[in-house]
Amino acid sequence: GIQVEQSPPDLILQEGANSTLRCNFSDSVNNLQWFHQNPWGQLINLFYIPSGTKQNGRLSATTVATERYSLLYISSSQTTDSGVYFCAVMLTGTASKLTFGTGTRLQVTL
Amino acid sequence: GAVVSQHPSRVICKSGTSVKIECRSLDFQATTMFWYRQFPKQSLMLMATSNEGSKATYEQGVEKDKFLINHASLTLSTLTVTSAHPEDSSFYICSARDQTNTEAFFGQGTRLTVV
Repeated sequence: GIQVEQSPPDLILQEGANSTLRCNFSDSVNNLQWFHQNPWGQLINLFYIPSGTKQNGRLSATTVATERYSLLYISSSQTTDSGVYFCAVMLTGTASKLTFGTGTRLQVTL
Repeated sequence: GAVVSQHPSRVICKSGTSVKIECRSLDFQATTMFWYRQFPKQSLMLMATSNEGSKATYEQGVEKDKFLINHASLTLSTLTVTSAHPEDSSFYICSARDQTNTEAFFGQGTRLTVV
């Protein structure tokens, strides 16, 4: 099956710092989403980004489908950004199933 | 975005009993919903695909008789953990796609503890 690897696995930042999270996938996909899982377990949709670049406030994402990776940028990080960030992909022709990446655990400190 | 509601958010049950978890799409119809399981500090693993009006499709290694799925309407899917054991303790979360069938949205999740 498709492999979805995220890096780094863990990240500690001071408030105000910027960061880049990476998602590599091993096969062609036609859907990619980024999520933030808060401490209560809720998955918050960040981006639906099968290709190209999108921005939403302090967050932006870029997917280069031909090279099989996506990047999530967090600028001016805040303590509320803490949590786990997942990318999830849908393999072409797999009946809408999302396969989740390994996750990046982010902690933003004061 | 579309809203998916899951209930209960937390449940504690005794070994041997069954627990039912509901997943509802509040503002759209979902012919397909998905059930995931997440162990502490791990990623989400797909358990099964719930199809309205037909049998669910289970991922390899998931026991059909242990995890019963019913998708009786276009807005409701249920997951029943039967004869629960402590090893079934986990975080269960459902998902559905919006009307355009592109972006997936998730319920709040259910934390199951079997004692």
